[in-house]
Amino acid sequence: DQQVKQNSPSLSVQEGRISILNCDYTNSMFDYFLWYKKYPAEGPTFLISISSIKDKNEDGRFTVFLNKSAKHLSLHIVPSQPGDSAVYFCAASVGTYKYIFGTGTRLKVLA
Amino acid sequence: DGGITQSPKYLFRKEGQNVTLSCEQNLNHDAMYWYRQDPGQGLRLIYYSQIVNDFQKGDIAEGYSVSREKKESFPLTVTSAQKNPTAFYLCASNPQGGHSPLHFGNGTRLTVT
Repeated sequence: DQQVKQNSPSLSVQEGRISILNCDYTNSMFDYFLWYKKYPAEGPTFLISISSIKDKNEDGRFTVFLNKSAKHLSLHIVPSQPGDSAVYFCAASVGTYKYIFGTGTRLKVLA
Repeated sequence: DGGITQSPKYLFRKEGQNVTLSCEQNLNHDAMYWYRQDPGQGLRLIYYSQIVNDFQKGDIAEGYSVSREKKESFPLTVTSAQKNPTAFYLCASNPQGGHSPLHFGNGTRLTVT
């Protein structure tokens, strides 16, 4: 049973526009959510996180939104740049050591 | 430079052989993790360790073993009992789990033929 789902395997966006990556989860006990960026043959790099007591967190071009009632998480990248082209993973944890990852969304930013 | 070092980057083994993947961190983190990545399946947790000399099974521990004799080191052994060992293996750490991001190494690609 996939507790964290990324239903869009891929997304293409024009440079300078907004990229929106989505993530749904099923476990209402998750209290910490993260987004990672990954290039091929490299480890994931942490981008941004959000605690379940918040509904929004910003860091430069990256904003994460959390809708607890819908069990939905999204990452907005504005403006999108070609260097943002990568696979993005969302992850969730329930306050301990178990981090559950989604299957990833491949973002392609077109120049 | 603090970070997590995984070696080697690429590893090839014959079926039936055990193989050990190295993971070293100099971040002074208490918790360490092993994940496996397969195409289309995201990252799945194999084992994690909260503290030296202690570790717990993750979701897919069968066919794997770990040790945590030093804070800095968390080697993973892929045994011959692992049915589908070919994968990309990622080691991670964080200060003490819960509400802190995982820091990842650059992974080891294991190919078993």
